[in-house]
Amino acid sequence: GESVGLHLPTLSVQEGDNSIINCAYSNSASDYFIWYKQESGKGPQFIIDIRSNMDKRQGQRVTVLLNKTVKHLSLQIAATQPGDSAVYFCAESPSGATNKLIFGTGTLLAVQP
Amino acid sequence: ETGVTQTPRHLVMGMTNKKSLKCEQHLGHNAMYWYKQSAKKPLELMFVYNFKEQTENNSVPSRFSPECPNSSHLFLHLHTLQPEDSALYLCASSRTGANEQFFGPGTRLTVL
Repeated sequence: GESVGLHLPTLSVQEGDNSIINCAYSNSASDYFIWYKQESGKGPQFIIDIRSNMDKRQGQRVTVLLNKTVKHLSLQIAATQPGDSAVYFCAESPSGATNKLIFGTGTLLAVQP
Repeated sequence: ETGVTQTPRHLVMGMTNKKSLKCEQHLGHNAMYWYKQSAKKPLELMFVYNFKEQTENNSVPSRFSPECPNSSHLFLHLHTLQPEDSALYLCASSRTGANEQFFGPGTRLTVL
């Protein structure tokens, strides 16, 4: 069945280091992927997205990489800051299924000062 | 702020109570969603509304009853819930046909 999973439930990094959060997806027909950040007591907040016709997209301090061959998605955060501490979710949208996102379980990013 | 508000932020109710969760979006979107977020589990889609019409009910028990009076407001009516229904209930909205969803802060529900 469809599933979106994360390799590491918890990631601890030092402030200033780069962070990489990984995600595996199983539906090769998915054509849209999105990363959300959820801080304690808040709802998920959009970070960055990517369509399947791309393999890389950059935002402010964040980069998403998509490897369709191995069905792998990653989120890279440059110069990680304490404010980046949160749970990060990836989600996929199957082709043709607009308004539908399938979420992973999330990775907790803990930034050590 | 994401433009999506939810009230109340916290709710404690007994199994025989009736309560309602409210969601309002100020983004001009036409699609609205209810999700359930339990600890260590992925977000579970419950309901989807497009232009006030329910387009998806993800096998949700009838003790959860959604209502969408217009494109800006969404309610979740709760009746005779079970303790396992305790969770964070998130509302989201999007443009119809768009993938990016904007989430509210959620209602933390505890069923005693």
